[in-house]
Amino acid sequence: KQEVTQIPAALSVPEGENLVLNCSFTDSAIYNLQWFRQDPGKGLTSLLLIQSSQREQTSGRLNASLDKSSGRSTLYIAASQPGDSATYLCAVKANQAGTALIFGKGTTLSVSS
Amino acid sequence: EAGVVQSPRYKIIEKKQPVAFWCNPISGHNTLYWYRQNLGQGPELLIRYENEEAVDDSQLPKDRFSAERLKGVDSTLKIQPAELGDSAVYLCASSLKDEKLFFGSGTQLSVL
Repeated sequence: KQEVTQIPAALSVPEGENLVLNCSFTDSAIYNLQWFRQDPGKGLTSLLLIQSSQREQTSGRLNASLDKSSGRSTLYIAASQPGDSATYLCAVKANQAGTALIFGKGTTLSVSS
Repeated sequence: EAGVVQSPRYKIIEKKQPVAFWCNPISGHNTLYWYRQNLGQGPELLIRYENEEAVDDSQLPKDRFSAERLKGVDSTLKIQPAELGDSAVYLCASSLKDEKLFFGSGTQLSVL
């Protein structure tokens, strides 16, 4: 059974720092991996989707990498801002088209000004 | 383009009462998901639809939960009767098959 783990559970950084969030998964046979952002009391917003054949995806100050063989993904946030404060969740889709995402518990990020 | 719309936003009920949640997915998205998220946890799938067909309902507690997606568009998730442990946020999401998921704002359910 696929399990997704995110470390750390919480992270506090001062504004301007570059930071890395980690995600690991137990079954490397994945179809794709997504990173989401969740603000308090809100739904999830998809940030980046990496297909199993890809190594990384970039959007603005965000860069997500995927190392399928080692079961790891990282989300890099450059020049963090207070507006980046949120919970970031990683989710994987099994290597079968049409299966649902399995989520980690998330990393709660706080960026202080 | 309108996103995924869910209602109600909040619901407070007493245990043993019924409750229903409604979801309108993004137009054209054939795949619809209902997830449940407990505090401090990631979302867990309850049911997934491809058009009007429920293709994965293995995690749906069928003794008290039911769902339908009439005409392959809107969907309703029902709990009857509700239990204290059902308190959670119920999230609806939609996608084109195997593409990015788009989530609604969720319904926060409190069972007293």
